[in-house]
Amino acid sequence: AQTVTQSQPEMSVQEAETVTLSCTYDTSESDYYLFWYKQPPSRQMILVIRQEAYKQQNATENRFSVNFQKAAKSFSLKISDSQLGDAAMYFCAYSTGTSGSRLTFGEGTQLTVNP
Amino acid sequence: DTGVSQNPRHKITKRGQNVTFRCDPISEHNRLYWYRQTLGQGPEFLTYFQNEAQLEKSRLLSDRFSAERPKGSFSTLEIQRTEQGDSAMYLCASSPGHGQYFGPGTRLTVT
Repeated sequence: AQTVTQSQPEMSVQEAETVTLSCTYDTSESDYYLFWYKQPPSRQMILVIRQEAYKQQNATENRFSVNFQKAAKSFSLKISDSQLGDAAMYFCAYSTGTSGSRLTFGEGTQLTVNP
Repeated sequence: DTGVSQNPRHKITKRGQNVTFRCDPISEHNRLYWYRQTLGQGPEFLTYFQNEAQLEKSRLLSDRFSAERPKGSFSTLEIQRTEQGDSAMYLCASSPGHGQYFGPGTRLTVT
C-alpha cells in the first residue's frame, strides 16, 4: 500500500521569505503522480502543483515549486516570497499512474505566515 | 463559477437519522470521487465513479453508506442510521484524468 508522510505538523515563515514543506512517500509503482494541495481555514481544497513521476524536471507554478527526488521518494514544496494568503494547511498527495486512481494524502502541514 | 459544488454545506442530524449529500462536478469531468475528512487529518478516500459506474469503494464505506451517480453527472452520498462517528467533512472531487478538483465539502454533525 502506498503511504504519504509529512513530518512537519506546523511551519511558520515571515512574509516575503521562502519556506519549504517536506513530504516523503512509499510506493512500489514506477508510474505515479504527486500533488500539493492547499486548504485555507474553512475553505475548500485547492490544487497547487503536480508532478508526474516520469518527468525529471521539477514542476513550477509561479511562486510554488517542487523538489522531486524520485530515488529518495521525496517531494518537497517551496513557497517563495510568502504572502499572508499562503497561510493554510498543505497536504501532499499521491496517486498511481492509472487514470482515475484515488488520492492518498499525508497528514498535512499547517503553515503560518507572519507579517 | 463552474467549479465543483456540494449541498448542503452543513448538516446537523440526530443519531439514527438518514442523510443525503449532493455533489455536482465540473461538467466536462467524467470522474467523481468522495472523501471523508476529520479534523486535523488528510482526506480519506471513500468511493470513485467513472461516468455512472462505481468502480472502487473503500473499506471505510460501510453497509450504511451508499453512493450513486445515476446519469453520470451529479452524485449523491447517503448515510443511513447515522452514528456520532460519522461526524466529519464529506468532500467531493472531480477529475478529467489526473489531478482532482475539490468542492467546498459538506460538514456533517451527528448529535
